[in-house]
Amino acid sequence: KNEVEQSPQNLTAQEGEFITINCSYSVGISALHWLQQHPGGGIVSLFMLSSGKKKHGRLIATINIQEKHSSLHITASHPRDSAVYICAVRGTGNQFYFGTGTSLTVIP
Amino acid sequence: ETGVTQTPRHLVMGMTNKKSLKCEQHLGHNAMYWYKQSAKKPLELMFVYSLEERVENNSVPSRFSPECPNSSHLFLHLHTLQPEDSALYLCASSQDWGQSTDTQYFGPGTRLTVL
Repeated sequence: KNEVEQSPQNLTAQEGEFITINCSYSVGISALHWLQQHPGGGIVSLFMLSSGKKKHGRLIATINIQEKHSSLHITASHPRDSAVYICAVRGTGNQFYFGTGTSLTVIP
Repeated sequence: ETGVTQTPRHLVMGMTNKKSLKCEQHLGHNAMYWYKQSAKKPLELMFVYSLEERVENNSVPSRFSPECPNSSHLFLHLHTLQPEDSALYLCASSQDWGQSTDTQYFGPGTRLTVL
């Protein structure tokens, strides 16, 4: 069993919809990251969280340390948001654990 | 442009070939990473270098040999690979190693196919 589980694995949405991607983890962490990977491979770091909530444009990330759960929300989704979203955690011993990613397709 | 470049972007090699992947970062970072991304599997951290010293080696087969000649460059030397080594190899860098608040910046990756 992977230390980081994401859901859903695949997600198709209509343009404008509100999207939520979930991440659960089973280890103690010092930080959680949300990454975005576009076709072609390049990965961009969207957020780094250790508590609470962060917002950047249409993206919102939240984390509940007690429940070991994080969510990534996209408001007013757009086709350019189509990508794979990866949840990653940094363990308290400096280990990195990655989810398998959520593949998002936003249809115009 | 993330400040981390990788060459080549695509590589096809036979099982008996020797090749090298190159990563260069222009961000003044002290830590660099090699990751392997196989289809339908999570990213796997392979190696970490901090200030040119290897600090992590996650049970990677010896047919993968990293080299960090300076804090801006990282190589992955490949020798006698297997078809199951075909994957996307990603390089990343961060300001330091061991800081939980560090953000990693990724290169575009090298798509490797082993025939």
